[in-house]
Amino acid sequence: SAVISQKPSRDICQRGTSLTIQCQVDSQVTMMFWYRQQPGQSLTLIATANQGSEATYESGFVIDKFPISRPNLTFSTLTVSNMSPEDSSIYLCSGDLLPDTQYFGPGTRLTVL
Amino acid sequence: QKEVEQNSGPLSVPEGAIASLNCTYSDRVSQSFFWYRQYSGKSPELIMSIYSNGDKEDGRFTAQLNKASQYVSLLIRDSQPSDSATYLCAVNTNAGKSTFGDGTTLTVKP
Repeated sequence: SAVISQKPSRDICQRGTSLTIQCQVDSQVTMMFWYRQQPGQSLTLIATANQGSEATYESGFVIDKFPISRPNLTFSTLTVSNMSPEDSSIYLCSGDLLPDTQYFGPGTRLTVL
Repeated sequence: QKEVEQNSGPLSVPEGAIASLNCTYSDRVSQSFFWYRQYSGKSPELIMSIYSNGDKEDGRFTAQLNKASQYVSLLIRDSQPSDSATYLCAVNTNAGKSTFGDGTTLTVKP
């Protein structure tokens, strides 16, 4: 079965720095998404990563803070820019390994000091 | 009103019992419905999908969908301690994008 991987699995970062998270799928997918999950809470969609065009952001998320790339159908990156402690969260990518069905990567646990 | 609402929980059942998890959604044009299981510290894992009214069974799991009532449920028969997790209901409305409920935490006591 296809696998979704993320790097890094966790990181501790200083305030004001940026972190880029990579998401790799071992088969081509049409849709890729980025989510945030804060402790004890559900998933919040950040954006849809569109192949070959700018990402589509949800309300409350902007490109300057969360730039996203998707150069092909198997890979995407999410950058968390100018981080603050409020950005501490788990960041998850997902892809539609089956039509209209999302599967998740293992997540990246980010702590900002 | 939230787009996807789940019974608040936490839910506790004894081992061997049936656990019933409920979810309602607000968008009538929703077409696809999913249940994910999330263990503490792990990412969500898809366990059931359902697209048409009625029941869908997979092993000990049964998903039930009633589009007229905008209601989807998950039944876990013969609950095991390993079923203890948070269960997330997800609804797809358009462009393959899922909206998630807040989750229900299930504890199965030996």
